[in-house]
Amino acid sequence: SQTIHQWPATLVQPVGSPLSLECTVEGTSNPNLYWYRQAAGRGLQLLFYSVGIGQISSEVPQNLSASRPQDRQFILSSKKLLLSDSGFYLCAWRRRGSTNEKLFFGSGTQLSVL
Amino acid sequence: KQEVTQIPAALSVPEGENLVLNCSFTDSAIYNLQWFRQDPGKGLTSLLLIQSSQREQTSGRLNASLDKSSGRSTLYIAASQPGDSATYLCAVGETSGSRLTFGEGTQLTVNP
Repeated sequence: SQTIHQWPATLVQPVGSPLSLECTVEGTSNPNLYWYRQAAGRGLQLLFYSVGIGQISSEVPQNLSASRPQDRQFILSSKKLLLSDSGFYLCAWRRRGSTNEKLFFGSGTQLSVL
Repeated sequence: KQEVTQIPAALSVPEGENLVLNCSFTDSAIYNLQWFRQDPGKGLTSLLLIQSSQREQTSGRLNASLDKSSGRSTLYIAASQPGDSATYLCAVGETSGSRLTFGEGTQLTVNP
C-alpha cells in the first residue's frame, strides 16, 4: 500500500532563517506531488506541484521554492523565512495521469516563524 | 478564478442527528469534487471523490452529491457520532487536472 511521510511535524524558526521540509512517498512510482499551505482559519493554498523529477510548477509568487531530486521525494525550501510563512504545510500525492483519483495527504508540518 | 465556499463555517449537533454540509463553487467546468476530513493538527483524509459525470458517491454513513450546473455539492452524514467531530473540506478539481481549489471548511462538533 502507498504511504506518504512528511517531517518534521512541528518547527519553530526565527525570521530570516532557512527552511527545508521533506516529503517522501512509498509504494508507488511516478506520482504527482503537491505542497499546500493552510494558514490559521483559512483554506488550503496550493504552493507547488510536480509531475516528475525536476519538474516544478509554482502557483503563487513567494520566497519559497520546491525541488524534486528523486521520483518520490519533494522538498519545500526557503533561504530566509518571513513571519508570513507561518502556517500548516501539507504534502500530497496522486497517481500521475489520474486526475479522477483521490489526493492523499501527509500528516503536515506546523511551522511557526518568530 | 475558481472560488469554493462552504456553509456553515461551524456546526454543532447532538449525537444521532443527520446533517448536511454544503459546498458551492463558481466555475462549473470541473473535473471532480472531493470531500476531506481534517482532525485538529493533522493532515487531510480523503472521504469521497465524485467525478464530474457522477451525481453522487456513498461510503458507509456518508453520501456526497454533485450538481455541476448549479455549482453545488453536499455531504450528508447519517446518524452522526462524536467521532465524526472534525473539519470537513471540499475541493474542486479543475479541468487542467493538476490542482484542487479548497473551501475553508466546516468545523463539525457532534455532542454526546
